[in-house]
Amino acid sequence: DQQVKQNSPSLSVQEGRISILNCDYTNSMFDYFLWYKKYPAEGPTFLISISSIKDKNEDGRFTVFLNKSAKHLSLHIVPSQPGDSAVYFCAASMNTNAGKSTFGDGTTLTVKP
Amino acid sequence: ETGVTQTPRHLVMGMTNKKSLKCEQHLGHNAMYWYKQSAKKPLELMFVYNFKEQTENNSVPSRFSPECPNSSHLFLHLHTLQPEDSALYLCASSQDLWRGADTQYFGPGTRLTVL
Repeated sequence: DQQVKQNSPSLSVQEGRISILNCDYTNSMFDYFLWYKKYPAEGPTFLISISSIKDKNEDGRFTVFLNKSAKHLSLHIVPSQPGDSAVYFCAASMNTNAGKSTFGDGTTLTVKP
Repeated sequence: ETGVTQTPRHLVMGMTNKKSLKCEQHLGHNAMYWYKQSAKKPLELMFVYNFKEQTENNSVPSRFSPECPNSSHLFLHLHTLQPEDSALYLCASSQDLWRGADTQYFGPGTRLTVL
């Protein structure tokens, strides 16, 4: 049973527009949600996180929204830039399971100039 | 060197070979992790070490044998692998056992191909 799912394997947007990446989860016990970005031939790098007690966290062009009732989170990138083209992973963790994280499949974002 | 480094970056091995993957972190972190990423699958946590002690073995087959001689180094010893073990193996570290509030830092990975 995959507890964290990213149902869109790919997304293509025009430069300057908004990119919205989605993630669904099944375990209501998750305490933290994170987004990572991965370029080819590199490891994932942390992008932004949100605690389960919040519904929004913003960092520059990146905003993560959490809807606990729907068990859904989304990452908004605005404005999108060609350098944002990468694979984006969402991940979730529980405080009671320190060291363990559950990742989604990833969504490949392509931002066209 | 800064961050998390992994060697080799690419490895091709036969099913009867024995090889090792190496990970080194230069961040002064206490926890280190091995992940496996197969094609079109999410990252799978394999092993977790905290202060050199293994705290998690996520039902990994014994043909994968981790070793953590100190908090800065992590090895993954491979023997009699199967073609389905071909994947990207990622190492990560975090200041302490990751609880989500802080972040993990990943290495670039080793692309492993088993023939």
